[in-house]
Amino acid sequence: KNEVEQSPQNLTAQEGEFITINCSYSVGISALHWLQQHPGGGIVSLFMLSSGKKKHGRLIATINIQEKHSSLHITASHPRDSAVYICAVKGSQGNLIFGKGTKLSVKP
Amino acid sequence: DSGVTQTPKHLITATGQRVTLRCSPRSGDLSVYWYQQSLDQGLQFLIQYYNGEERAKGNILERFSAQQFPDLHSELNLSSLELGDSALYFCASSVGSSSNQPQHFGDGTRLSIL
Repeated sequence: KNEVEQSPQNLTAQEGEFITINCSYSVGISALHWLQQHPGGGIVSLFMLSSGKKKHGRLIATINIQEKHSSLHITASHPRDSAVYICAVKGSQGNLIFGKGTKLSVKP
Repeated sequence: DSGVTQTPKHLITATGQRVTLRCSPRSGDLSVYWYQQSLDQGLQFLIQYYNGEERAKGNILERFSAQQFPDLHSELNLSSLELGDSALYFCASSVGSSSNQPQHFGDGTRLSIL
C-alpha cells in the first residue's frame, strides 16, 4: 500500500463545477503539500498545511490530522485549472513522499 | 516564475553516457532538492542539500551523485545511463532544511536516453 493515496486518478468536469480531490496518507506527518503540475511539466506549490483549512482564490485545501486525510477543492472550475494535482507528505527520513497525482480536465 | 533555474531544459543522449544537470535555487534559499519523475513511478525524492552539505538521501542510485557549491547552485550527475533513466528531473529549493516549508520548483530537465 502506498503511503500517500490520491483519488480519483482522473477527473473530467464541466466548466463551473465544484471539484474535490482527495489525499489519504498512512504516515505521521507535520505538514502536507498540494502541488499543481501543468501539461508542460512545470510544478507549482499551491498549499502547505498542517491543520485546518487554507484558501487561495478559488482553491481551498483542508486537512484532518486525526483521519489522515486532506482535500483540495476548486470552486467555479475553469479550463485553465486542467492539470495534475499532487499531494505530498513528509516521510520518516524527512523527505517528501508524493501521491501519484490526480489528472483534472475541465471542459468548456 | 518560481525563481529556480534548471538547465538544460532538454537533454538527449545515449546509453552508457554521463550527463550533468544544473540547478540555481531561488535567491535566499539554502536547500536544494532533486526529484525524478518517470511515467510509471511518479515523483520520487533523490537527494537534498542544505547550505553545501548533504541533508537527506532518498532512492538515489549509486550511478547518480550530486553536490551543492558555495554559491548554492547544485549539480546532479548521472552516469552509465540506462534507458530507464529517461525521466523529468526537477530541482526545488526552500529557505530552510525542513520539508515542512514550501518548496519552489524549477521547470525541470527532460532527459531522454536513446
